[in-house]
Amino acid sequence: KAGVTQTPRYLIKTRGQQVTLSCSPISGHRSVSWYQQTPGQGLQFLFEYFSETQRNKGNFPGRFSGRQFSNSRSEMNVSTLELGDSALYLCASSRTGTVNYGYTFGSGTRLTVV
Amino acid sequence: SQQGEEDPQALSIQEGENATMNCSYKTSINNLQWYRQNSGRGLVHLILIRSNEREKHSGRLRVTLDTSKKSSSLLITASRAADTASYFCATELRSGGGADGLTFGKGTHLIIQP
Repeated sequence: KAGVTQTPRYLIKTRGQQVTLSCSPISGHRSVSWYQQTPGQGLQFLFEYFSETQRNKGNFPGRFSGRQFSNSRSEMNVSTLELGDSALYLCASSRTGTVNYGYTFGSGTRLTVV
Repeated sequence: SQQGEEDPQALSIQEGENATMNCSYKTSINNLQWYRQNSGRGLVHLILIRSNEREKHSGRLRVTLDTSKKSSSLLITASRAADTASYFCATELRSGGGADGLTFGKGTHLIIQP
């Protein structure tokens, strides 16, 4: 079955611009979460969506937002980009339920802010 | 903030040897997971161990969990050049398919010398 698909793979933006990243989860997975990875801070949880609702959010400013559509596809948006937003953004999908089987990650979107 | 801390930060061994990585965490968890990342790409789920389990095996991987010490170890036996990657432990506070997200450690960079 198809894995988690993230688009685009690479992106270069200028400070002050905004950016939208897309994530298509594995078919049947209704939970989508987003992570930011930087050399300094490592992997950090951004937010998680389930059935179009944000269930949890990490410690990031309001410039970081997201949404999930009825087909479980998710987008994250970063407004007013800063140089420090340069990072690898990873999306992960998982099954739902009371038992967790682990997450399936996409290959990521590498964002460079200049 | 980082929940897990891996030790060592980097490890270089000869092909065929065993590699052991350790992870410590701070708060009570529902489960602990190990992931592999090759060259800044997506994360690959390796193994999940629940808080009521003490040891788990998957192929050449062996994971232990000591909840009293809040620590886990990952053993890779008979290492291969393809095992060269960064390894991360990640903790999940409660079940439910992702609501809390994962909290990652900084990772161990493993190099297998041919």
